[in-house]
Amino acid sequence: QSVLTQPPSVSGAPGQRLTISCTGSSSSFGAVYDFHWYQHLPGGAPKLLIYGNSNRPSGVPARFSASRSGTSASLAITGLQADDEGDYYCQSYDGSHWVFGGGTKVTVL
Amino acid sequence: EVRLVQSGAEVKKSGESLKISCSVSGYGFTSYRIGWVRQVPGKGLEWMAMISPSDSDSNYSPSFQGHVIVSADKSANSASLQWGSLEASDTAIYFCARLRIVGNRHYFDSWGQGTLVTVSS
Repeated sequence: QSVLTQPPSVSGAPGQRLTISCTGSSSSFGAVYDFHWYQHLPGGAPKLLIYGNSNRPSGVPARFSASRSGTSASLAITGLQADDEGDYYCQSYDGSHWVFGGGTKVTVL
Repeated sequence: EVRLVQSGAEVKKSGESLKISCSVSGYGFTSYRIGWVRQVPGKGLEWMAMISPSDSDSNYSPSFQGHVIVSADKSANSASLQWGSLEASDTAIYFCARLRIVGNRHYFDSWGQGTLVTVSS
């Protein structure tokens, strides 16, 4: 079964820059199908943050950016704010099934 | 405005059956697939199943195949997720989400608010 691997947690002080990695086990990830990112804040529904490796839906601040390199992707948050605290997930498709990464908990110190 | 509204929280016992729903509005129901995603308390998101409302074609994660069934009712603009026999390990929040496919981009662009299912043994 295809897997997307993320670090369990990252933390930073307000104003800092954080990055979250997402490494795919299948050659379909990235090479064939794009990566996408979601923000899941406590008590809410997941929200699409980035689609197509690096595109922000309207309304998502430019502080959030992402990129792809081969079968891996990364999400960057610049100017970290207290309300960025929550879980972040990468997601892709392996040709048969849709897959989420394990999630990364972002803590604002 | 695209909206996915899910049915309310459920409390069940092991062995009981359950069907939860996801009602959509603001777009053509048959134009997009609907996926179901599980979040066990304290754990991450897991894709469970997908249904195409236009023809009811479905696809399941191997982890959930045989344990749940997804369906769609075109007349009600609603998708459903059902269990024939719940287990305590099914305790989780279940989200429905609209799948957007643009070329090689498969992503969930709108989400329901989630349905909490609690199963006691």
